Amino acid sequence: SQQGEEDPQALSIQEGENATMNCSYKTSINNLQWYRQNSGRGLVHLILIRSNEREKHSGRLRVTLDTSKKSSSLLITASRAADTASYFCATDEGGANNLFFGTGTRLTVIP
Amino acid sequence: NAGVMQNPRHLVRRRGQEARLRCSPMKGHSHVYWYRQLPEEGLKFMVYLQKENIIDESGMPKERFSAEFPKEGPSILRIQQVVRGDSAAYFCASSPTVNTGELFFGEGSRLTVL
Repeated sequence: SQQGEEDPQALSIQEGENATMNCSYKTSINNLQWYRQNSGRGLVHLILIRSNEREKHSGRLRVTLDTSKKSSSLLITASRAADTASYFCATDEGGANNLFFGTGTRLTVIP
Repeated sequence: NAGVMQNPRHLVRRRGQEARLRCSPMKGHSHVYWYRQLPEEGLKFMVYLQKENIIDESGMPKERFSAEFPKEGPSILRIQQVVRGDSAAYFCASSPTVNTGELFFGEGSRLTVL
């Protein structure tokens, strides 16, 4: 099925370190998005990058997109304990009317 | 402006019963999406609706599951004759436009089938 794949599946870092998560997808896209999910809660949109963009910043977040490799990365700089959550990438692969979500990276930031 | 409202937040059903999950989109949003999430997994698309129309139900199981988004009132995801494998978190999201930009998610409805 059309779905992104994130890696790593789980990541544990110390507060203050940077966290990098990667996402790969299969077919052409119009945009790629990253969402965050705290345990037991709904998803919250973080950032959207269009297929003609290569890099985007929002606060401590930096997203890159390489359409030739069909991959994206999310970098969280100077991590905080409050960043502990699962992070998902989502794409509109093949021009779909909906978003396809990856399997997620569970990030733990140790105070 | 209230966010996407889902209820109930938690629902327990015995095998064979029916489950009805409701979703009120954000004000001004006419596009509703339902997703299912199993523990420790990502979200799986189920169905995309606009007011009074099902646009894409390619992710919906062919039997026992149905969805609607009437002209008035919330969107409803209905699961008939529930089985244990239906136990999951069901998330609703809404958007103001048809283009797949940002989706606004509710807090989810967690269904447990005994």
